[in-house]
Amino acid sequence: EVQLVESGGGLVKPGGSLRLSCAASAFTFSSYSMNWVRQAPGKGLEWVSSITGSSSYIHYADSVKGRFTISRDNAKNSLYLQMNSLRAEDTAVYYCARGKAGTVDYWGQGTLVTVSS
Amino acid sequence: EIVLTQSPGTLSLSPGERATLSCRASQTVSSSYLAWYQQKPGQAPRLLIYGASSRATGIPDRFSGSGSGTDFTLTISRLEPEDFAVYYCQHYGSSQFTFGPGTKVHIK
Repeated sequence: EVQLVESGGGLVKPGGSLRLSCAASAFTFSSYSMNWVRQAPGKGLEWVSSITGSSSYIHYADSVKGRFTISRDNAKNSLYLQMNSLRAEDTAVYYCARGKAGTVDYWGQGTLVTVSS
Repeated sequence: EIVLTQSPGTLSLSPGERATLSCRASQTVSSSYLAWYQQKPGQAPRLLIYGASSRATGIPDRFSGSGSGTDFTLTISRLEPEDFAVYYCQHYGSSQFTFGPGTKVHIK
């Protein structure tokens, strides 16, 4: 069964940095694009970033461009999100999600990032 | 930039009733890249429908999707207790995902 397990969330001060990780299993990781999607408390879903299987193409939402960096290590079946210059509005549950044909077919359980002084 | 609008914001229904959820795009979109998700409190979203009308693996046939152009619909033919949740539509285009604001289906 496909599994995506996020880690690395926590409390960070405004302007600080955090690195999220996602461990994937039970599928050929390198064959799939991967995404980060976030959800602020009590709010809807917001796509953050995508990366193709070979890391050839990377895309970001305007809200995080220049501050967040997505990457992956196919040898380790792992996805990452480096988050710098964090703001209060970045507070959310961050989901690691597998992409397939324009959808997200599997989601992790999420990791909570809280940006507060 | 495509904006997705969902209506109604909240739907109050009883188990056994039919639910009809709407998703409207600000411009014509490809049906191939229109999906629906279900999210229950404290859980990650789950893919229900992709390509506007194809059910994802393991999704019961009481869930169906339809539509084209700018107007799409998710129908739950007979609500089961486990169907009370928030439903999001989603479009993929220009290398980015866009989600609608969601429709909450709750027990009347």
